[in-house]
Amino acid sequence: DAGVIQSPRHEVTEMGQEVTLRCKPISGHDYLFWYRQTMMRGLELLIYFNNNVPIDDSGMPEDRFSAKMPNASFSTLKIQPSEPRDSAVYFCASSPLEEDEQYFGPGTRLTVT
Amino acid sequence: LAKTTQPISMDSYEGQEVNITCSHNNIATNDYITWYQQFPSQGPRFIIQGYKTKVTNEVASLFIPADRKSSTLSLPRVSLSDTAVYYCLVDTGTYKYIFGTGTRLKVLA
Repeated sequence: DAGVIQSPRHEVTEMGQEVTLRCKPISGHDYLFWYRQTMMRGLELLIYFNNNVPIDDSGMPEDRFSAKMPNASFSTLKIQPSEPRDSAVYFCASSPLEEDEQYFGPGTRLTVT
Repeated sequence: LAKTTQPISMDSYEGQEVNITCSHNNIATNDYITWYQQFPSQGPRFIIQGYKTKVTNEVASLFIPADRKSSTLSLPRVSLSDTAVYYCLVDTGTYKYIFGTGTRLKVLA
């Protein structure tokens, strides 16, 4: 298995632009997680899905952030409009069951200027 | 916001045993404690998971006291390649999937 796939690996955009991050989880994994990592706040859970249904989105910072999982093999995290404080590394992870180990993707490094 | 705390950094020499402790006072009653390792420019990678007492696998041991308010990751005989950041992950009941602040381990030759 190729593991969790994220794209793009790097994204540089200007403030106010829309940003879409993509994730392909490991096949057969029922849980998908989106995290954000910054120096100041560390690793933070943004949202997670079970069988394509959002379970907990309390970590989504504000309405500018939205996440979807239209099918078991694809998820997106969208920021509209983007702001410089959104600059971070965004990780997607998946796991077979809720308490199982999570398999992380390589991350997307987002820079908003 | 409930959180977990870990030492910011640790240094060790090759061949030594390293113990990293995570404090999680608000851990949920029925949830596991998980530890991850992260190298620069990579996503975290699973090391070990436990619920209580002691768990051991091929790379580490995890010690959890009876009150479960802390946990200690033990890395036996570390090598240079173990230089990384180590995170604990817990569920506090109110907040799920809370990563610790991370401990930056540097292994010296």
